[in-house]
Amino acid sequence: DTGVSQNPRHKITKRGQNVTFRCDPISEHNRLYWYRQTLGQGPEFLTYFQNEAQLEKSRLLSDRFSAERPKGSFSTLEIQRTEQGDSAMYLCASSRQLAVSSYNEQFFGPGTRLTVL
Amino acid sequence: SQKIEQNSEALNIQEGKTATLTCNYTNYSPAYLQWYRQDPGRGPVFLLLIRENEKEKRKERLKVTFDTTLKQSLFHITASQPADSATYLCALAGNNAGNMLTFGGGTRLMVKP
Repeated sequence: DTGVSQNPRHKITKRGQNVTFRCDPISEHNRLYWYRQTLGQGPEFLTYFQNEAQLEKSRLLSDRFSAERPKGSFSTLEIQRTEQGDSAMYLCASSRQLAVSSYNEQFFGPGTRLTVL
Repeated sequence: SQKIEQNSEALNIQEGKTATLTCNYTNYSPAYLQWYRQDPGRGPVFLLLIRENEKEKRKERLKVTFDTTLKQSLFHITASQPADSATYLCALAGNNAGNMLTFGGGTRLMVKP
């Protein structure tokens, strides 16, 4: 399978714990996005990377959220001191940006469903 | 603020009919508009992309229109099948550096045999 993969698929944690999710994009894709989706809503953009550079992070929901893509391949999203309101599906997407003026569709992974008790 | 509206009520149609879903937006000038399909507990699956200078795009039984004057896109599934039952998401992207997507809330389609 050469699609976007995410691990774990499900995570149950207690309030106050830290959690980390991993995303492996499609191999030739240089852009990687993180979104959050709550029940009955569309995905909400959080942050994105162009190769290893995080170019937009102002939409991260709070300073408890952070993301990395150290080698420009896989990425991790960490939530510190989780709260019940963090319960949601966390989605990763990737795309191939060939030039500044080009645009290619984003392909999504299966998501990680987080439940904070 | 930017707003994307999709009919939050489920659309129920009979197998073989054409399903038409609507996406309206305000306070936005998107360069690209996409439609995704999402099944319960799964990530969105890309279906079609249409650019601001395109009026219509087709792929097999799917057709998308994009009217930048009305600020509206219509998504059609012809000869609908029960397997088409899912939630369909409209997503817009601008020409900003990141091309991040802004999604509507989705419309659930139910195709009855």
